[in-house]
Amino acid sequence: TQLLEQSPQFLSIQEGENLTVYCNSSSVFSSLQWYRQEPGEGPVLLVTVVTGGEVKKLKRLTFQFGDARKDSSLHITAAQPGDTGLYLCAGEKEGRGGADGLTFGKGTHLIIQP
Amino acid sequence: EAQVTQNPRYLITVTGKKLTVTCSQNMNHEYMSWYRQDPGLGLRQIYYSMNVEVTDKGDVPEGYKVSRKEKRNFPLILESPSPNQTSLYFCASSPSMGGGNQPQHFGDGTRLSIL
Repeated sequence: TQLLEQSPQFLSIQEGENLTVYCNSSSVFSSLQWYRQEPGEGPVLLVTVVTGGEVKKLKRLTFQFGDARKDSSLHITAAQPGDTGLYLCAGEKEGRGGADGLTFGKGTHLIIQP
Repeated sequence: EAQVTQNPRYLITVTGKKLTVTCSQNMNHEYMSWYRQDPGLGLRQIYYSMNVEVTDKGDVPEGYKVSRKEKRNFPLILESPSPNQTSLYFCASSPSMGGGNQPQHFGDGTRLSIL
């Protein structure tokens, strides 16, 4: 089983601060996706990274895929209360053309206090 | 509106009473999947389907069945539910799998409580 370890599990910070969430594995993934989940709803895709070393930006969110495609990070600049939620990374298992779907990390619970 | 619809959203039932959670998507997606989400364990895949009449086990298939008779529907069946199947369940779909650019669209979840 390919595992994805997310850290930290829980993070509570003040509005305006910066933060980084990590997603690490000993396995190589074809691609990695980041989702955000709010209470009572399903996860919603934020971004997909495919190429080793790739960096994608989504407003104040910066996503990076590791050079070896084993890890990823999500950096939020000037966090706002609206960023509060559960952030999940998910890797597409390499081989079998993705037939096995995604392996999810356990998530990072992020709370941004006003 | 493109969506994945699960029903019911909430269900409290008793051990051994067969139940079905329905999932329907209106995006003509080939790939559909069921997950359960538990505190401390994250999202774990139960079953998935690459296309009509093609289903396969995920990481935690025990106690569950699925069927894919039509492209849009992928019901999850608990023949004899037990308390350890109390969980939050999500259905998801994507155009296909593989290629690295296949976002999964999730339903809003079904919270099952088995007493």
